[in-house]
Amino acid sequence: GNSVTQMEGPVTLSEEAFLTINCTYTATGYPSLFWYVQYPGEGLQLLLKATKADDKGSNKGFEATYRKETTSFHLEKGSVQVSDSAVYFCALKGTGRRALTFGSGTRLQVQP
Amino acid sequence: EAGVTQFPSHSVIEKGQTVTLRCDPISGHDNLYWYRRVMGKEIKFLLHFVKESKQDESGMPNNRFLAERTGGTYSTLKVQPAELEDSGVYFCASSQEFSASSGANVLTFGAGSRLTVL
Repeated sequence: GNSVTQMEGPVTLSEEAFLTINCTYTATGYPSLFWYVQYPGEGLQLLLKATKADDKGSNKGFEATYRKETTSFHLEKGSVQVSDSAVYFCALKGTGRRALTFGSGTRLQVQP
Repeated sequence: EAGVTQFPSHSVIEKGQTVTLRCDPISGHDNLYWYRRVMGKEIKFLLHFVKESKQDESGMPNNRFLAERTGGTYSTLKVQPAELEDSGVYFCASSQEFSASSGANVLTFGAGSRLTVL
């Protein structure tokens, strides 16, 4: 079946540091890939997505590239801010299914 | 537009009691999903409604869980009787019809209902 593995947190960084949160997946066919973010007290929000191999999703300074050869979709940001502190979830939608498969989430803490 | 609304935000009950969680999706969204995150683990799919019909309930853990969506608007998820392992955050999400052009339907999530079973 489909699965998503992402690095365990928490990840603690200083403001303006470079961020990488690793995500790898297992799926048959050609899944769509997503990063969702949950800020404290809020629901999950779609951060970015990619629907085919080599696509790059980007939003709010975050980027992730759909790498089929390594089955990865790592999240990166060049300079994090305190306001980026949140829990980040990698997810996929498999071919023929509408439900999402999520990873376990990675908590990011950015210190001033 | 109003987002996805979930009630209650937090519920604390004793083992053996009953709890009903409610989700109000975005108006006009035919697709409604329930997910659950237990003990900081991955968010797991529970079930999917299209309007009032259950499209996929493969993630429902057992028959203590009952989901309904009468009239195709809001949905309820009842846990009866609740067990300790049911503690977690229950998320609801909704979306419009699947978009073939975008390749994926984008879900809008609620803030979740935290359930604590003592």
